Amino acid sequence: DQQVKQNSPSLSVQEGRISILNCDYTNSMFDYFLWYKKYPAEGPTFLISISSIKDKNEDGRFTVFLNKSAKHLSLHIVPSQPGDSAVYFCAARVNTGNQFYFGTGTSLTVIP
Amino acid sequence: DGGITQSPKYLFRKEGQNVTLSCEQNLNHDAMYWYRQDPGQGLRLIYYSQIVNDFQKGDIAEGYSVSREKKESFPLTVTSAQKNPTAFYLCASSILRATNTEAFFGQGTRLTVV
Repeated sequence: DQQVKQNSPSLSVQEGRISILNCDYTNSMFDYFLWYKKYPAEGPTFLISISSIKDKNEDGRFTVFLNKSAKHLSLHIVPSQPGDSAVYFCAARVNTGNQFYFGTGTSLTVIP
Repeated sequence: DGGITQSPKYLFRKEGQNVTLSCEQNLNHDAMYWYRQDPGQGLRLIYYSQIVNDFQKGDIAEGYSVSREKKESFPLTVTSAQKNPTAFYLCASSILRATNTEAFFGQGTRLTVV
């Protein structure tokens, strides 16, 4: 059973506008959440994360929001740039555990 | 430079042959993982290891085998029992059970079975 879900397989956004990628999870024990960016034929690279004790974490153009009551997190990219075009994976883990659980990914296309 | 190295980047094998994918890390991480990526299915866990000489099955372990004889190395063998071996394989590592740490990935191996 998929514990981390990304229900939007793809998203297209104009350059300069905001990109919002969404992720839902089912396991209330998750206490650390991550976003990875992946280009074709390459390994995912870590982008940004958030601990369950926070509801927002910001790093430059990237902000992750966590709504624990809704078991939902989102990644905001502002402003979007063509180089942001990639597949974005949401992931979650229990800090005392040993596995990362990944969503199915959202393919973002930023149109120049 | 610390990191994870997967080799080869591209691999072609005939159906029915076993093939081994290499994964080496110099990050001194205890935990290592193998994932498979297929279109529309995200990253699915094949095997993971927390310590030398110990490993656990993930969600899709059937048709695969691993070994962990050294902390730095976690090779994956795709056996002839794997029904659909053509895929993109990713190796990762992380600090074990540490708070708020991420997994680091290699560049992947694209396996094509013909």
